Amino acid sequence: EAQVTQNPRYLITVTGKKLTVTCSQNMNHEYMSWYRQDPGLGLRQIYYSMNVEVTDKGDVPEGYKVSRKEKRNFPLILESPSPNQTSLYFCASSSTGGYTDTQYFGPGTRLTVL
Amino acid sequence: RKEVEQDPGPFNVPEGATVAFNCTYSNSASQSFFWYRQDCRKEPKLLMSVYSSGNEDGRFTAQLNRASQYISLLIRDSKLSDSATYLCVVNPSGGYNKLIFGAGTRLAVHP
Repeated sequence: EAQVTQNPRYLITVTGKKLTVTCSQNMNHEYMSWYRQDPGLGLRQIYYSMNVEVTDKGDVPEGYKVSRKEKRNFPLILESPSPNQTSLYFCASSSTGGYTDTQYFGPGTRLTVL
Repeated sequence: RKEVEQDPGPFNVPEGATVAFNCTYSNSASQSFFWYRQDCRKEPKLLMSVYSSGNEDGRFTAQLNRASQYISLLIRDSKLSDSATYLCVVNPSGGYNKLIFGAGTRLAVHP
């Protein structure tokens, strides 16, 4: 089954404790992206990647890192999480990143930083 | 001003009703437009793309008005299963697939 998977789905952590949220897709997509969703706001892009070893900042990259060492994986790293990073996070992928491509979203990771 | 604005709702309608959502976008150079559906904090799923000529998919009709920079979604004969949040989504650049999301309009269909 074609899908985007994320782990963990739920995470409660404390300020300053490094964490990684994994994202993997099995559709051989070139483009991958991370979003966060907060109440009253639309999904906002954190980082995106057009292909292996090619990443760039989205609209809200502060406090996050990413890497793209393999085509299928695009982990999101919070080196020193803070309470304002409490949010619902979605990973997405699309075939080539073209502007008409459909983006497929993972199931989401609900992160709470205390 | 937000790049994509939607009425947050909620829209409470009975089964069988027709309901319409509007969305406005600020970037006149935007290239592609979509409606996504999101159920109760689950992942967004593409409902339909929106074309300049307007397009229909069963009970759903989407329209784009570039001159006024707004997008609409019409749902006819509402079903209980249509209850969800509808996200208006715009690609502003025409380049890579960057999506700008509206905050969503919540629809509740009741018996």
